[in-house]
Amino acid sequence: DQQVKQNSPSLSVQEGRISILNCDYTNSMFDYFLWYKKYPAEGPTFLISISSIKDKNEDGRFTVFLNKSAKHLSLHIVPSQPGDSAVYFCAASYTYNTDKLIFGTGTRLQVFP
Amino acid sequence: EAGVTQFPSHSVIEKGQTVTLRCDPISGHDNLYWYRRVMGKEIKFLLHFVKESKQDESGMPNNRFLAERTGGTYSTLKVQPAELEDSGVYFCASSQSGEYGYTFGSGTRLTVV
Repeated sequence: DQQVKQNSPSLSVQEGRISILNCDYTNSMFDYFLWYKKYPAEGPTFLISISSIKDKNEDGRFTVFLNKSAKHLSLHIVPSQPGDSAVYFCAASYTYNTDKLIFGTGTRLQVFP
Repeated sequence: EAGVTQFPSHSVIEKGQTVTLRCDPISGHDNLYWYRRVMGKEIKFLLHFVKESKQDESGMPNNRFLAERTGGTYSTLKVQPAELEDSGVYFCASSQSGEYGYTFGSGTRLTVV
């Protein structure tokens, strides 16, 4: 039973436009959410996170939004660049960092010129 | 600072054989994690070490998998005997206590034939 779901396996966006990657979760006990980016043949790289006490966190071109009532979060990339092409994983945890991460299946983002 | 190092990067073994994966975490990181991604699915937690102690091994699939962390430094994950369903990419990650976001290694791609 998957607790973190990324229902879009792939997304294609033109360079300069906004990329929106979505993630849904089922467990209301999750209190910390993270996004990781993964290039081929590399490990996932931490991108941005958000605590359940917030509804938005921003870091440069990356913004994560959290809607707790809907159990939904999204990652916005503005503007999208070709170097953003990668697989993006949503992850959740019950406690700050030291607990295990529950990952989604990933969304492959392709940014074309 | 050296990152998380995993080797081998690839391993192809026959069903029934034994394979040992190794992970060298970032120096000084007390927390060490093993994850696995099978066939493009989600990245799944296997276990968590704090120094040399197993903090959480709830994700280990069965007793064919044995993880050790010698002296709280590097870790090994042994699969014996390997089965076809063990094929996947095995990721190791490490973190300092109180730090958010793991640092992942590049993974070991295991293929059991």
